[in-house]
Amino acid sequence: GDSVTQMEGPVTLSEEAFLTINCTYTATGYPSLFWYVQYPGEGLQLLLKATKADDKGSNKGFEATYRKETTSFHLEKGSVQVSDSAVYFCALIALTSGTYKYIFGTGTRLKVLA
Amino acid sequence: DSGVTQTPKHLITATGQRVTLRCSPRSGDLSVYWYQQSLDQGLQFLIHYYNGEERAKGNILERFSAQQFPDLHSELNLSSLELGDSALYFCASSVGASGGGRSPLHFGNGTRLTVT
Repeated sequence: GDSVTQMEGPVTLSEEAFLTINCTYTATGYPSLFWYVQYPGEGLQLLLKATKADDKGSNKGFEATYRKETTSFHLEKGSVQVSDSAVYFCALIALTSGTYKYIFGTGTRLKVLA
Repeated sequence: DSGVTQTPKHLITATGQRVTLRCSPRSGDLSVYWYQQSLDQGLQFLIHYYNGEERAKGNILERFSAQQFPDLHSELNLSSLELGDSALYFCASSVGASGGGRSPLHFGNGTRLTVT
């Protein structure tokens, strides 16, 4: 079935370090891909999205490229800040049995140290 | 602000009790989804309603039920509560047409349920 796999956390980085959070997916057809961020005490917020192969989603310095050949959608940021500390979820929408379903990864906690 | 409103923010109750969680979707969104998030962070899909009709069920216990009203707000009812039901419950909405479409989900800030 359709699934999303994220790297295990927590990921701990120093401020201004480069961030990569890996995400791979399994889906039939052509899913849309998303990254959500959850700050402490809040709900999930849409961070960025990509709807077709080779699309690059970007927002707030974060980027992710839809790689169909490797079924991946890795999240990257060139220089993280303490305020980026949060849990990041990779997700997809897939058409399954005539219905669109949202599939979420298990989340990756990021801790950024000053 | 996502535009999705959930009430109450916190709920503390005893085992065996029943509670109702409420969700108002973003203006114009017809789909409402309910998720449970446990301490280990994972999101468990519970149920999806579109324009008042149940569309999909996930890992929802028989003790739990939901409905979506004509004004599109939704309620999640949890009964015979157990300690293990303590979690964050999120509502999300989307503008998606029948079946959800490809529009992203917009989440509320959740209701934290503590069962003692």
